[in-house]
Amino acid sequence: DSGVTQTPKHLITATGQRVTLRCSPRSGDLSVYWYQQSLDQGLQFLIQYYNGEERAKGNILERFSAQQFPDLHSELNLSSLELGDSALYFCASSVDEPYNEQFFGPGTRLTVL
Amino acid sequence: KNEVEQSPQNLTAQEGEFITINCSYSVGISALHWLQQHPGGGIVSLFMLSSGKKKHGRLIATINIQEKHSSLHITASHPRDSAVYICAVWSFNTDKLIFGTGTRLQVFP
Repeated sequence: DSGVTQTPKHLITATGQRVTLRCSPRSGDLSVYWYQQSLDQGLQFLIQYYNGEERAKGNILERFSAQQFPDLHSELNLSSLELGDSALYFCASSVDEPYNEQFFGPGTRLTVL
Repeated sequence: KNEVEQSPQNLTAQEGEFITINCSYSVGISALHWLQQHPGGGIVSLFMLSSGKKKHGRLIATINIQEKHSSLHITASHPRDSAVYICAVWSFNTDKLIFGTGTRLQVFP
């Protein structure tokens, strides 16, 4: 158990809909990262938050947004969903800098029908 | 060409064999991560390297910054080592984590 929790575990929704994925980092970790893993594109870095502020941005679509709240939990919002958004979404956390060890959550499997 | 290349893509071994997985990258990095992903999907961080060598149990990871190359070694491999091993680098130019495509390892008894 990494100490990082993600909810929900599974999510099935329809095209055009909006969903919110939630992540709680390990106690004491200030950085939260979001990743997408799809069959055709492998693992991709989406975005990093550090202590409530956006720190680094990867291949995140404009239809996606994230935030980190004062209690350090984070949410990833996916809107206008398309079939191609079906993937595993992982959250990870680290103490501070992104080149420190990251601890991964179990992931949320999103299926868009 | 991908910025992070791993080889081999697939690897089959007999229990007890010494395993090496390679990672080459073409960008400037702050750190390199080795991750393990089991068939159930969960990801575990094995190592974070910025220089030299690290060892944890039967796993050893090395990095050569000048040659932009890292290796992950597994000594005395075991069927429970069967997983996908993923190399990822934090690029200090683009400030993002770039993943390799992974090496699928199967260890047979």
